[in-house]
Amino acid sequence: SQQGEEDPQALSIQEGENATMNCSYKTSINNLQWYRQNSGRGLVHLILIRSNEREKHSGRLRVTLDTSKKSSSLLITASRAADTASYFCATGPFSGGYNKLIFGAGTRLAVHP
Amino acid sequence: GAGVSQSPSNKVTEKGKDVELRCDPISGHTALYWYRQRLGQGLEFLIYFQGNSAPDKSGLPSDRFSAERTGESVSTLTIQRTQQEDSAVYLCASSLQPAADEQFFGPGTRLTVL
Repeated sequence: SQQGEEDPQALSIQEGENATMNCSYKTSINNLQWYRQNSGRGLVHLILIRSNEREKHSGRLRVTLDTSKKSSSLLITASRAADTASYFCATGPFSGGYNKLIFGAGTRLAVHP
Repeated sequence: GAGVSQSPSNKVTEKGKDVELRCDPISGHTALYWYRQRLGQGLEFLIYFQGNSAPDKSGLPSDRFSAERTGESVSTLTIQRTQQEDSAVYLCASSLQPAADEQFFGPGTRLTVL
């Protein structure tokens, strides 16, 4: 079963607007990562936030983590048409010392010119 | 090559046939992972390799699924007697070390079982 759940499942916005996606998870984590997927194929790593961090920035991306609520959010500011993709949160690593990522179902973002 | 490669990119097969999916990880990456992604869903972990051993096969859905890896190189995922529910994109990822934060994903193999 999936560890995380994203909402919304789909998001449609205009270029220049901000996009916020949320992720909830069920068990304790060491870190949470966000990935991007274009056209249902390979994933690209966007950003990682550790369990002792509350907020992290990378370019137009801002990620927050609330371990008390077991939730994270990804904010994309000043969105562009090229940001159109599916975005997934993934949690890990788990015990055993390897990074067995557990993914949510993803948010499909459409940015219209 | 610079990234993870997978072949074939697309595979259409008939129910009951066996298929082999190949993954070439980034050179020097010791950890290799296979995931499955059904249409409109997130990725499901299948199996993890450290070198050529597989300490975690917990995600393999049935004994029709098996995988092997040659040293710290190529891995093959084999599905025997394919079923329609096996239709999905199969993604491979590698990382420099097992506990490395970032996994580098291949483009995936889209498997369609008719």
